[in-house]
Amino acid sequence: ELKVEQNPLFLSMQEGKNYTIYCNYSTTSDRLYWYRQDPGKSLESLFVLLSNGAVKQEGRLMASLDTKARLSTLHITAAVHDLSATYFCAVGSNKLTFGGGTRVLVKP
Amino acid sequence: AAGVIQSPRHLIKEKRETATLKCYPIPRHDTVYWYQQGPGQDPQFLISFYEKMQSDKGSIPDRFSAQQFSDYHSELNMSSLELGDSALYFCASSDGGTGASEQYFGPGTRLTVT
Repeated sequence: ELKVEQNPLFLSMQEGKNYTIYCNYSTTSDRLYWYRQDPGKSLESLFVLLSNGAVKQEGRLMASLDTKARLSTLHITAAVHDLSATYFCAVGSNKLTFGGGTRVLVKP
Repeated sequence: AAGVIQSPRHLIKEKRETATLKCYPIPRHDTVYWYQQGPGQDPQFLISFYEKMQSDKGSIPDRFSAQQFSDYHSELNMSSLELGDSALYFCASSDGGTGASEQYFGPGTRLTVT
């Protein structure tokens, strides 16, 4: 059974500083997703990572994938308040298995 | 661009009642997925359909059933509702035929069971 773990589960950030969220998964998968979710809202797709060594960047967010280590990271550069949300990684090619989520709170 | 449509957006039911949630996928998407997200939890896969046939099944209770219709919309039927069924229910759709199976999520239906 595929297991996906994220850490940390909660991240209190200071504006302007850099942080990383980690996503580990237990079995080989050909794609990994990162989503953002605001409270009570839907899941917004951030990145789709398809191959070993894949790196994608959008604004202050950068995601990478190491399939050998079964590890993905989501790096936040110079955090700003608007990035406060819960971030999920998810693994799978059809049904998705989600990590537990990382709740991010960016403080001034 | 058209997105996944879910209805209703909010639903309040009492214990032991039934509920039907509807999902209209993005046009030309042939695959539909249902997920349940309890308060403070991550989404859990329930069931999926490809070309109107069930393609995968997750942790869906026997009290729940679902189907995909000829126009590709899907309905999740929930009977004998329990307090623990209170959750956000997301539908997602993808274009299964091309192999590019990125899932696009709808806005969700918030079900409250009292």
